[in-house]
Amino acid sequence: DQQVKQNSPSLSVQEGRISILNCDYTNSMFDYFLWYKKYPAEGPTFLISISSIKDKNEDGRFTVFLNKSAKHLSLHIVPSQPGDSAVYFCAAYDRGYQKVTFGIGTKLQVIP
Amino acid sequence: ETGVTQSPTHLIKTRGQQVTLRCSSQSGHNTVSWYQQALGQGPQFIFQYYREEENGRGNFPPRFSGLQFPNYSSELNVNALELDDSALYLCASSWVFPSGRGDAGDTQYFGPGTRLTVL
Repeated sequence: DQQVKQNSPSLSVQEGRISILNCDYTNSMFDYFLWYKKYPAEGPTFLISISSIKDKNEDGRFTVFLNKSAKHLSLHIVPSQPGDSAVYFCAAYDRGYQKVTFGIGTKLQVIP
Repeated sequence: ETGVTQSPTHLIKTRGQQVTLRCSSQSGHNTVSWYQQALGQGPQFIFQYYREEENGRGNFPPRFSGLQFPNYSSELNVNALELDDSALYLCASSWVFPSGRGDAGDTQYFGPGTRLTVL
């Protein structure tokens, strides 16, 4: 029972273009959503988050959009850079206790 | 400020054995969460420790147990290892307010993980 779904296992984008990573969730109790980035041989690194009371959060080149009615969020990276090549995990947070539920990840490759 | 560290980096065990993985929290953090990441999957929440007590548990059997020490470091113990326990085990530390409720998950800082192989 995957409560957080990332349906695209991989994505290739040209440097300078926009990368859009998508995520769907099923549990309406989730009230906070996060994106993590993971390089090989490292632990996940927090990238950006959004509260369920908002529909957009922006941090530099990274923007997360949340559509609560569709239970969908997306991460936009503009412009994409080769250093952005990594696995991106969508995660959802349950404030009942600090449980973070992760998706299976999307591998982003930014081509120079 | 030191980050989250985990030991060992890699470990090979056989079925039925027991294993202990260790995690040192980032300084100033009082909570540790453990995750299992199988190949091709996202991290799965095992449990969290706050003030040396279990503060939430995912869908893992009792042979997965843990400890948190007064210095906030932590251990993950797995008994009676099975082949499916082969995975990357991640530890994450965070700050939880004394009320027991924390900030959002963005305060979780992950270690590099321990790669466990069960033969």
